[in-house]
Amino acid sequence: DGGITQSPKYLFRKEGQNVTLSCEQNLNHDAMYWYRQDPGQGLRLIYYSQIVNDFQKGDIAEGYSVSREKKESFPLTVTSAQKNPTAFYLCASKGGARTGELFFGEGSRLTVL
Amino acid sequence: GNSVTQMEGPVTLSEEAFLTINCTYTATGYPSLFWYVQYPGEGLQLLLKATKADDKGSNKGFEATYRKETTSFHLEKGSVQVSDSAVYFCALSPREAAGNKLTFGGGTRVLVKP
Repeated sequence: DGGITQSPKYLFRKEGQNVTLSCEQNLNHDAMYWYRQDPGQGLRLIYYSQIVNDFQKGDIAEGYSVSREKKESFPLTVTSAQKNPTAFYLCASKGGARTGELFFGEGSRLTVL
Repeated sequence: GNSVTQMEGPVTLSEEAFLTINCTYTATGYPSLFWYVQYPGEGLQLLLKATKADDKGSNKGFEATYRKETTSFHLEKGSVQVSDSAVYFCALSPREAAGNKLTFGGGTRVLVKP
């Protein structure tokens, strides 16, 4: 079945460590996105990529990095520079439709100990 | 800039009650409007959408009408079930935005009791 796969689902990290969250899609979508969700709050855009080897900062990119070496993959690294990394991270993708519909993965919950 | 405002939750209802979640937006031009639903511990799923004024999106008994004159996209369901307990997000996508980035509201948690 086509879809977006995020891993790991749960991740624990010590302060000062970098961690990479995986996002893979087999929908043949060009655009991919990373959002952060904090408890009881909406989604905030971290980074997005419209095409391979290109990506742009979203609203809260500080302390995060991404790469887009393959169309199917858009990993997010949460660096030690991110002051409050504990959150639920959601990856999404969008195909060529003009209406802007996003398809989401099931999310990765990161907890910093 | 673009923004989406939703009524704050939680909204607690009994089964078979009528549900309304208010959503208003600020945007230039004619954005597309969406409702997404998030079940506990999961990602977001598209519930319904509308792409132009007076369009009505519908799915799974939920409806929302794109009202340009009031810049609103309120979500309604006539008879909720326990399985409708979730967080609901209203979102907009400006047609001219680079990357078609969505702007989300803060989400409204709905709890349906048997």
